[in-house]
Amino acid sequence: DVKVTQSSRYLVKRTGEKVFLECVQDMDHENMFWYRQDPGLGLRLIYFSYDVKMKEKGDIPEGYSVSREKKERFSLILESASTNQTSMYLCASSFPVVGGDNQPQHFGDGTRLSIL
Amino acid sequence: AQKITQTQPGMFVQEKEAVTLDCTYDTSDPSYGLFWYKQPSSGEMIFLIYQGSYDQQNATEGRYSLNFQKARKSANLVISASQLGDSAMYFCAFLTNAGKSTFGDGTTLTVKP
Repeated sequence: DVKVTQSSRYLVKRTGEKVFLECVQDMDHENMFWYRQDPGLGLRLIYFSYDVKMKEKGDIPEGYSVSREKKERFSLILESASTNQTSMYLCASSFPVVGGDNQPQHFGDGTRLSIL
Repeated sequence: AQKITQTQPGMFVQEKEAVTLDCTYDTSDPSYGLFWYKQPSSGEMIFLIYQGSYDQQNATEGRYSLNFQKARKSANLVISASQLGDSAMYFCAFLTNAGKSTFGDGTTLTVKP
């Protein structure tokens, strides 16, 4: 079974702190994704990566950056955390997509981040 | 940009009955994929079913089927013989050729005994 592991299930940080959320997958997936999930807003894509050291902005990249130094690990960084970044963060991974084919994303359990 | 719309914030269904969850999308891409995911109260996202834009047949996976109407740009999820364990949030997602996904806002399904 595919395993996507997020380093923390719950995290509490203070405004202005630099926050790192880590995600590791064990299926040799090329693609990795970071989403945030807020009530009534579904999942919104922050960043995704289709290869080591490659990254693409998603729909809401402002205030975030990412790092992918190794294929299995994708980190989300909040450079200076703010209260409006309190949310559930979900990491996912998948094989590359060709022609919209069937490559579902496999998700981690999520990190519930609170910024005080 | 792609847009996914799930118009039903909440749905109720009686146990053992069928239920349809609506999903419409907007795209000019000729090639794309549509997915449905289930998110129980525990929070994990579970992949349910996939439909490719060129697939001639509607996808089926056990009690799940996808009513794909390409001209109408709709991809509704049908759950047959609902079970109490089907109570969850359901998300429709659109997948572009480049591998980027856009999710709908979700539908909360409650199965009544």
